[in-house]
Amino acid sequence: EVQLVESGGGLVQPGGSLRLSCAASGFTFSTYWMHWVRQAPGEGLVWVSRINIDGSITSYADSVEGRFTISRDNAKDTLYLQMNSLRAEDTAVYYCARDPGHSGYVGSCDYWGQGTLVTVSS
Amino acid sequence: DIVMTQSPDSLAVSLGERATINCKSSQSVLYSSDNKNFLAWYQQKPGQPLKLLIYWASTRESGVPDRFSGSGSGTDFTLTIRSLQAEDVAVYYCQQYYGIPHTFGQGTKLEIK
Repeated sequence: EVQLVESGGGLVQPGGSLRLSCAASGFTFSTYWMHWVRQAPGEGLVWVSRINIDGSITSYADSVEGRFTISRDNAKDTLYLQMNSLRAEDTAVYYCARDPGHSGYVGSCDYWGQGTLVTVSS
Repeated sequence: DIVMTQSPDSLAVSLGERATINCKSSQSVLYSSDNKNFLAWYQQKPGQPLKLLIYWASTRESGVPDRFSGSGSGTDFTLTIRSLQAEDVAVYYCQQYYGIPHTFGQGTKLEIK
C-alpha cells in the first residue's frame, strides 16, 4: 500500500525556516517524480514544487522560488521541502504527492499524504 | 501561468441525480502531438487524503466508481457524477499539468440537496 507521511510542520516566526519531510513507503520511491502542494486555511490547492527521480531537476512556483528548496534522499525514501524566509502567506497545510509517471513524468498526483500544517506568525 | 476557473463554486444536488462541474483553462492544455489533454480532477474530503479521480481529462483512475466521468478538450472540461451518492459530498478540483506551475481551479463544493 502506497503511503506518504509528512512531518515537520509547526509554528514559526516570519523570516524563520522550517524543513518538511515526507516519508514514502509501499512503492519504489527512487523511480517516481514527487510534488509538494499547499492549501491555506479555507482556501484551494496551490502547486508548490516538483523534483525528478534523482533530484537533478526541480521546479517551483514563483511565490516560493528562491526561498524554498525541494530535495530527496532515495536511500531513505524521503522527500524534503526546506522553507526559508517564511512569510505569513506561507501559512498552509503542505502535502507531498506522487507523480504517477513511473520512471517518467506526467504532472498529476496519484497519491497524497495527509499533510502537515505550517503556521507563520509572530 | 495558466488560470483554471471552475463553475459553479458550490452545487447542491439530490441523491441519485446528476452533478456537473465545469473547468475552463485560460489557454489550451491539449498537447497536439499525442492528442492528450493535460487535465486532472481530484476529490477532497475532510480527514482523508486527496484522491485522483480522472487524468488525461477523461481517464478514470483505478478504483474510481464509473459514475464519475470526465470530458472536454482544449480549454473546456467537465466532471460529471452520474447518480449522486451520499459519499460524493466533497470539494472537487481540476488541475492542469500542461505548464509549470501546475495550477488548480478554485474548487467546487458539492453538497446534497
